[in-house]
Amino acid sequence: SAVISQKPSRDICQRGTSLTIQCQVDSQVTMMFWYRQQPGQSLTLIATANQGSEATYESGFVIDKFPISRPNLTFSTLTVSNMSPEDSSIYLCSVGKAGWTGELFFGEGSRLTVL
Amino acid sequence: EDQVTQSPEALRLQEGESSSLNCSYTVSGLRGLFWYRQDPGKGPEFLFTLYSAGEEKEKERLKATLTKKESFLHITAPKPEDSATYLCAVQLEDSNYQLIWGAGTKLIIKP
Repeated sequence: SAVISQKPSRDICQRGTSLTIQCQVDSQVTMMFWYRQQPGQSLTLIATANQGSEATYESGFVIDKFPISRPNLTFSTLTVSNMSPEDSSIYLCSVGKAGWTGELFFGEGSRLTVL
Repeated sequence: EDQVTQSPEALRLQEGESSSLNCSYTVSGLRGLFWYRQDPGKGPEFLFTLYSAGEEKEKERLKATLTKKESFLHITAPKPEDSATYLCAVQLEDSNYQLIWGAGTKLIIKP
């Protein structure tokens, strides 16, 4: 298993500002992902955070809007830049262990409200 | 277009009343289908992986089954602590880790 800590757990932000979400894992992991979950909707993968290289973004998500850092095998950050009310959502960090069989471990999420 | 649809959106049951949740999928090729449970204010928690039609997995009061077009999560004699949102996700054959998620079924078990 893996224990994942996310900060902040929730925040209320003003339009146009940026917020950085931190994800700390209790063990070294290769695969780390950032998801967005909007109320009543599916989880959507934003990007895969690669250690030592640029993150890989999914269609509809760009680095300028969602810059990601992955300085080591236990930590990552996701920044939501120049926020608008449409960015209000829950952002989830998740990891997969070696020999991945579909089991992802998730943090408790960061609930972001943009006014 | 690859798609995962869960039904119903919400389900209210009395304690002890068995039922099933559905996850239907339309994908080009299936590598695996996964069930997760999500409690309010928490991240999803892994339950099962199913790889091929006919496969079944069980855990306590839950049993997951898979056909070529859908999966069922059967809950037998549920208890209030089984109340949660149940999420289904599929991995495509040509994908290493990308999952396509359903919107979930919110299950409420009344004592």
